[in-house]
Amino acid sequence: KAGVTQTPRYLIKTRGQQVTLSCSPISGHRSVSWYQQTPGQGLQFLFEYFSETQRNKGNFPGRFSGRQFSNSRSEMNVSTLELGDSALYLCASSPEVAGTKFFGPGTRLTVL
Amino acid sequence: SQQGEEDPQALSIQEGENATMNCSYKTSINNLQWYRQNSGRGLVHLILIRSNEREKHSGRLRVTLDTSKKSSSLLITASRAADTASYFCATVAYGNNRLAFGKGNQVVVIP
Repeated sequence: KAGVTQTPRYLIKTRGQQVTLSCSPISGHRSVSWYQQTPGQGLQFLFEYFSETQRNKGNFPGRFSGRQFSNSRSEMNVSTLELGDSALYLCASSPEVAGTKFFGPGTRLTVL
Repeated sequence: SQQGEEDPQALSIQEGENATMNCSYKTSINNLQWYRQNSGRGLVHLILIRSNEREKHSGRLRVTLDTSKKSSSLLITASRAADTASYFCATVAYGNNRLAFGKGNQVVVIP
């Protein structure tokens, strides 16, 4: 099976812009979650989707949003970008609740 | 919220030696997982141990879990240069699918 894929791998944006990141889970996995990794805050949970429904959301402002499609692919959107949004954004899929998570390679977002 | 906390933060060892990392957490968990990350890339799942398990092995990895002390340890035996990476523990609570990560251990294995 192909692993979790994320596009794009690298992205450079300027403050105030918005960005959409995409994640394709492993075939058959219905749970997709997103994490932000920064040197200062470490790995933080953003949100989780299961069967197109958001099941959990982390402590991030409303500028961070996401969705999941019927084929389990997921997108996350960040509006009105701030310098502090520069991070590695990781997507993970899992076949079941509370099970092993399989991570994608991440999207490195740089906000200038 | 639960937060794994690894100790020590950085470890430098010679190839062939064993590496041990510890992780503590604050609340009840469903399971605890260990992940490896190479140079800012994606996380690779290493091992999952459930709250009713005390020890688990996978190849050169040995994980222990002590729920009374709310702590876990990861042992890598006979380390190799390819084991150089950051290692994270993460907890999962009951009824919750989110991973709560610790700050990570940087392990450098010197050939």
